[in-house]
Amino acid sequence: AQSVTQLDSHVSVSEGTPVLLRCNYSSSYSPSLFWYVQHPNKGLQLLLKYTSAATLVKGINGFEAEFKKSETSFHLTKPSAHMSDAAEYFCVVTPGGFQKLVFGTGTRLLVSP
Amino acid sequence: NAGVTQTPKFQVLKTGQSMTLQCAQDMNHEYMSWYRQDPGMGLRLIHYSVGAGITDQGEVPNGYNVSRSTTEDFPLRLLSAAPSQTSVYFCASIPTGRNTEAFFGQGTRLTVV
Repeated sequence: AQSVTQLDSHVSVSEGTPVLLRCNYSSSYSPSLFWYVQHPNKGLQLLLKYTSAATLVKGINGFEAEFKKSETSFHLTKPSAHMSDAAEYFCVVTPGGFQKLVFGTGTRLLVSP
Repeated sequence: NAGVTQTPKFQVLKTGQSMTLQCAQDMNHEYMSWYRQDPGMGLRLIHYSVGAGITDQGEVPNGYNVSRSTTEDFPLRLLSAAPSQTSVYFCASIPTGRNTEAFFGQGTRLTVV
């Protein structure tokens, strides 16, 4: 069975400090992995995706994530948080790279001035 | 370019009432799906369709019905609304092939009283 574990339900940072949102996955097949962001009362927007081409993936708004197969992890990072980064972030796996998405429970990022 | 359009954005139902959430996409995607989002639980798959005339159950299908008569439309029917169906509902469509990203509608916030 495929699953995603987001290790923190809430993460609080100060503006200008680094962001780390943690994600571990379990998949029987070679997975594709995604990070989506949801701003309050909005839909979901793709931040970045891993599709086996490169283990370090760069996304929009300065975010990046590193795929580590040995640790079954796909943590999301950003060097310097901005107030506009405050949102909920979802780690998603598609087992075998196909369309059935499995979501983590989400991490709410809070950014203080 | 409309993408994925969901209607309505907000709805209040009384227990026992029925209604249909509409979802339409103009990207000619074969795969469409419905998710519900509840606090602390991420997004959970209700039903999905791999093409016109083909639907299947997801993780939480009870109390919901779907059909797919055209590629563009994938309505979700609540047969007899219950307070446990109070949630935010998202429709998604995904292109055919591996490692493709999902496109989400803006969501429908449903309250059952």
